[in-house]
Amino acid sequence: DAKTTQPNSMESNEEEPVHLPCNHSTISGTDYIHWYRQLPSQGPEYVIHGLTSNVNNRMASLAIAEDRKSSTLILHRATLRDAAVYYCILRDYMNAGGTSYGKLTFGQGTILTVHP
Amino acid sequence: ETGVTQSPTHLIKTRGQQVTLRCSSQSGHNTVSWYQQALGQGPQFIFQYYREEENGRGNFPPRFSGLQFPNYSSELNVNALELDDSALYLCASSFRTGAGTEAFFGQGTRLTVV
Repeated sequence: DAKTTQPNSMESNEEEPVHLPCNHSTISGTDYIHWYRQLPSQGPEYVIHGLTSNVNNRMASLAIAEDRKSSTLILHRATLRDAAVYYCILRDYMNAGGTSYGKLTFGQGTILTVHP
Repeated sequence: ETGVTQSPTHLIKTRGQQVTLRCSSQSGHNTVSWYQQALGQGPQFIFQYYREEENGRGNFPPRFSGLQFPNYSSELNVNALELDDSALYLCASSFRTGAGTEAFFGQGTRLTVV
């Protein structure tokens, strides 16, 4: 499984932008970069994903390096509700019995603390 | 709110017993995956079901098994429970299989084995 490296923790102030880095130097050409977050006592929540180009959605932006060996999740204005563990995941493309599937391989993630 | 519902929310079982956990996937989603999350760790992939068949499996022993029904709901069965099986069990549904698809997780079932 291709692996990712994230800082153990980061801190931010409310209303400020947050840039969460992720290194994935062994990424393969078919790996998608996914971000999920998990609030305390909840299941993981999908944030965003991309393959090669930068992506934007209502929750965040994903900036992908040209060589795809790193990416950055950008929260434009952090709120207290954004305090969570953020997981950067390379979703494996695998094939079993003629059907593709993509398991999510979670690491330890980055604990984001947001200060009022 | 993801539309993925898991039951029960909490469960206590004795070592050696069997347990069945249930998942109702989001409407229109034909793919269900199960994950195990030990305390302080990230979720670990158990297996995935697509159109009622297992089409991918992680590093879990055969006593972890599952089913997917025609309405795409799913069950996770664990036989001969061990203390290390104590964890949060998460179900995730997707519109389709593959690496470029987002997964929507339920709130999980907290299983305690004593």
